[in-house]
This record gives sequence, structure tokens and C-alpha cells, in this order.
Amino acid sequence: GAGVSQSPSNKVTEKGKDVELRCDPISGHTALYWYRQSLGQGLEFLIYFQGNSAPDKSGLPSDRFSAERTGGSVSTLTIQRTQQEDSAVYLCASSPKASLGFSYEQYFGPGTRLTVT
Amino acid sequence: GDSVTQMEGPVTLSEEAFLTINCTYTATGYPSLFWYVQYPGEGLQLLLKATKADDKGSNKGFEATYRKETTSFHLEKGSVQVSDSAVYFCALSDLGGTSYGKLTFGQGTILTVHP
Repeated sequence: GAGVSQSPSNKVTEKGKDVELRCDPISGHTALYWYRQSLGQGLEFLIYFQGNSAPDKSGLPSDRFSAERTGGSVSTLTIQRTQQEDSAVYLCASSPKASLGFSYEQYFGPGTRLTVT
Repeated sequence: GDSVTQMEGPVTLSEEAFLTINCTYTATGYPSLFWYVQYPGEGLQLLLKATKADDKGSNKGFEATYRKETTSFHLEKGSVQVSDSAVYFCALSDLGGTSYGKLTFGQGTILTVHP
């Protein structure tokens, strides 16, 4: 079946512009995670969604970063006033569900490579 | 907080050599442990996992044993192939506290296998 998809695959933007990154999770997966993969920081957790709500936003690096999820499906990560340090690969993962005290497999998308010039 | 430390790479081996990639962790709760692999041009894939102490995860000839006493989860394979060339990430999911399964990753180890 279809896996997690992300768009665009590559995005080059000028410093100061806003960008939107999209994630389409596996159908029926209620849990959705965003991670960032950068040279300096490795792979870092950004935010977690259960359905349309985000009980864990602890990884968002600044208030320039926000995310939403609609219909319990598609999620959009928005970065406002991009900076060069935002350059990274942004990964989305989905899981059938998530609950306290139990770990389910996460399925990752191919990522969006963001370059801020 | 939680953290994962992997042996630094890159690691270069000849085909059929033995592979070990070391991974140690620090966690406040009761973590599950994972190895993820990222093949060139592809997304992260789960390679194997272990959910409690002394569990052994295995897949595609790779193995790792959850050692609580040494807080380790070393990845091993007895005979690597060229097709195993990839980046390997050790990760944990801390099931205590308020975690909803978010993953904490090591820095990744690049493995290159030559014919």
C-alpha cells in the first residue's frame, strides 16, 4: 500500500520567506510525528499529533515554527521568516496509534530537503 | 533527558566481514530500543527493535540485544554485503512519563561495504 508521502521533495527559499511543508500519512494512522535531520544536530523530534491535536510540541525550536493537522490526516509544518539554520531535511512519520507506555512502529516519509539561501 | 550515543563512523568494511556498531543510551523511564536504516536515496526504515531487557531484535541477518546492565544495544551482523551500505541510526522511545512514542536518535553511522 501507499506509504508516507511528503511534498515538496526539495525546497530552496530565501532567508526571511515563509515555507510550508506537507505530510500525507499512511491512511488510518492516527499518530503523526515531525522530525528534523540536520548536519549539526542530527535527527531531532519536533512535534507529535494524535488526531488533530498536538499533545507534544516540545521539539519546536522557536515560535517561527508551527504545525497543524486537519481531518486526522494531512499535516503541514510552517516555518516563518526562515533562517539559514533552518536548512535541514524535514521528516514526517506516522504510526497506527500512540499511547502512553507503549511504542508502535513509526513509518517514515522520504523527507523534504529545505535549503535557505 | 534521554540520549543515545553511537560509535562514530564512517565504517568501511569488505564484503563478508563482521559488523559491530556500538550504541549506548540514557533514559529516565523504560525505553524501547530500535535500529533504523537509511539506504541511499530512501527514507528511514525500521531494521529491528527490542522492547525490554534481554530481548534480542533480529532482521535481515542483523541482531541487537537490549542490555539494561550496560545500557547498550549494539548492532551486529556476521557477514555484511555491499547492499548493507547505508546509514544506521540507534534510537529509543521512552515509555515513561509523558512520552507518546517520540524517538530520540543517535547521530548515525555511515557504513560502506566494498566488494
